[in-house]
Amino acid sequence: GAGVSQSPSNKVTEKGKDVELRCDPISGHTALYWYRQSLGQGLEFLIYFQGNSAPDKSGLPSDRFSAERTGGSVSTLTIQRTQQEDSAVYLCASSLEWTGSGNEQFFGPGTRLTVL
Amino acid sequence: DAKTTQPNSMESNEEEPVHLPCNHSTISGTDYIHWYRQLPSQGPEYVIHGLTSNVNNRMASLAIAEDRKSSTLILHRATLRDAAVYYCIRAAGNKLTFGGGTRVLVKP
Repeated sequence: GAGVSQSPSNKVTEKGKDVELRCDPISGHTALYWYRQSLGQGLEFLIYFQGNSAPDKSGLPSDRFSAERTGGSVSTLTIQRTQQEDSAVYLCASSLEWTGSGNEQFFGPGTRLTVL
Repeated sequence: DAKTTQPNSMESNEEEPVHLPCNHSTISGTDYIHWYRQLPSQGPEYVIHGLTSNVNNRMASLAIAEDRKSSTLILHRATLRDAAVYYCIRAAGNKLTFGGGTRVLVKP
């Protein structure tokens, strides 16, 4: 079956512009996660959705970042007024239920964001 | 403040075991411990997870300390394909706390 897909695969933008990143989870997966990985760095957890709700948004780096999920499926991560430090690979993952109870996450290929 | 800490790197010879430690000293009773690995230029993939008891699967074993403040991922016989960054993750409440990852180098 289809895995997690993300679009675009690459995005180059100018500082100050807004960008929107999309994630399509595996069908039937109720939990969806966003991560950021800066060049040569580890994984940084941003936010988790159970259904359409995000119980804890404190992992988002700043108020320029927002995320939403509709219909229990597709999610978008929006970065407003992008800064050069936002340049990173943004990874999305999904799992049947919240991974905290032992469910395996499946990762998408990521979106590489470059802010000039 | 919740912290999950791992050594930056470890080296192993091919066909030898690798023991990857992780410290999660602030762990709570219901927090799961997960391990994922990221091969070069790829997305992370699941390795193993556990709560209290030691766990085994086809990829690895997870040994969890009795007080649960630390755990060790064991690759029984390292192969060149096991060269990756291994992440220890504490799943608590609605948040995931990642260790910085251990880069495993496997020498032929």
